[in-house]
Amino acid sequence: DAGVTQSPTHLIKTRGQQVTLRCSPKSGHDTVSWYQQALGQGPQFIFQYYEEEERQRGNFPDRFSGHQFPNYSSELNVNALLLGDSALYLCASSQTGTSQPQHFGDGTRLSIL
Amino acid sequence: RKEVEQDPGPFNVPEGATVAFNCTYSNSASQSFFWYRQDCRKEPKLLMSVYSSGNEDGRFTAQLNRASQYISLLIRDSKLSDSATYLCVVNHLRDNQGGKLIFGQGTELSVKP
Repeated sequence: DAGVTQSPTHLIKTRGQQVTLRCSPKSGHDTVSWYQQALGQGPQFIFQYYEEEERQRGNFPDRFSGHQFPNYSSELNVNALLLGDSALYLCASSQTGTSQPQHFGDGTRLSIL
Repeated sequence: RKEVEQDPGPFNVPEGATVAFNCTYSNSASQSFFWYRQDCRKEPKLLMSVYSSGNEDGRFTAQLNRASQYISLLIRDSKLSDSATYLCVVNHLRDNQGGKLIFGQGTELSVKP
């Protein structure tokens, strides 16, 4: 039973570029949340997707957008990259309506040059 | 002010020591509480949920004081393998049913031989 898988593992981009990160939830999970973790900080909630809709959003600009597909997988898109977007991006999946905890993927480490 | 605040750390302790982590949260509407553990450059993993009655799992004891909006984690007889960053986490929903997890900045623990 595969857990949460994220791709790519590492990514290097330059300022102004756009990036797409991908996440496949744990089998049986229907909800995907994205978090940004800067060095030395705890993860910060970006948004959550359920039933292919954005259900909640944190304090991130519109440059951050996402999508959830019918198979529950999800993408995080970031436009007009800034140096400050360099971080570990974590995806977490869960099953809405249960008390099961959110499971995190290994993350994508994004570096902006 | 951050919604979840932890001891800044790092904590450097010898094997066998007892270590206490403290955390406060500002939103009284918070419903569920957790401690996560994060190893260097890895994803956060749920260590334990925290209940009002207090709960214990082997060498780990978690306490919650809703009146003071205070959460604690005690590690007894610390092992080298306990070295990690410990993240205090709250959720505005019950039982981690989706919703956004709000993380503290984390406290790094280093257990030395």
